[in-house]
Amino acid sequence: AAGVIQSPRHLIKEKRETATLKCYPIPRHDTVYWYQQGPGQDPQFLISFYEKMQSDKGSIPDRFSAQQFSDYHSELNMSSLELGDSALYFCASTVVGHEQYFGPGTRLTVT
Amino acid sequence: QQPVQSPQAVILREGEDAVINCSSSKALYSVHWYRQKHGEAPVFLMILLKGGEQKGHEKISASFNEKKQQSSLYLTASQLSYSGTYFCGTEVRTGTASKLTFGTGTRLQVTL
Repeated sequence: AAGVIQSPRHLIKEKRETATLKCYPIPRHDTVYWYQQGPGQDPQFLISFYEKMQSDKGSIPDRFSAQQFSDYHSELNMSSLELGDSALYFCASTVVGHEQYFGPGTRLTVT
Repeated sequence: QQPVQSPQAVILREGEDAVINCSSSKALYSVHWYRQKHGEAPVFLMILLKGGEQKGHEKISASFNEKKQQSSLYLTASQLSYSGTYFCGTEVRTGTASKLTFGTGTRLQVTL
């Protein structure tokens, strides 16, 4: 069965650089979520999209933005990277009201 | 507000049982349970909708008390593969928007 795909799996950036994380949801899933998980922390909700429209916003910094495209893939754009942005970034997809399926994550390291 | 899980950590011997609790201050649409191993993505275990239902999945089951906004995950005859961090996720729905807030996590270690 198809799973959520995230790319890249690992990313190393320097401070003040930009990064783009991509997420390809499971086919026919209408909702995409982005989470940030720091070491030893629980996943923190960043933002979600339902049918390509932003549906909810969590603790996403103003330096970050995201969108969902016509083919339902989503991108998380991160600018002016800071050391504290180093984390695992997960994308999850679902049919609204059902369980979320998580992608393998992108490990971002900011040096 | 973030749901609170208890205990924060538990160590079991293989074959022992455990209960993990999740408590929220908000009216919930559903509760989700996930298990995450270090460096990996959370893996869905089960979802409980409001109505006080109980579900089972292999030797793992859960209950949801809608009135108390509490859910419990029951692990019986634990196996080494059960080790990981367990998160409850409480779902609040507004129209078509569905937001899952993860709990504080319970780290479970099963030993021989």
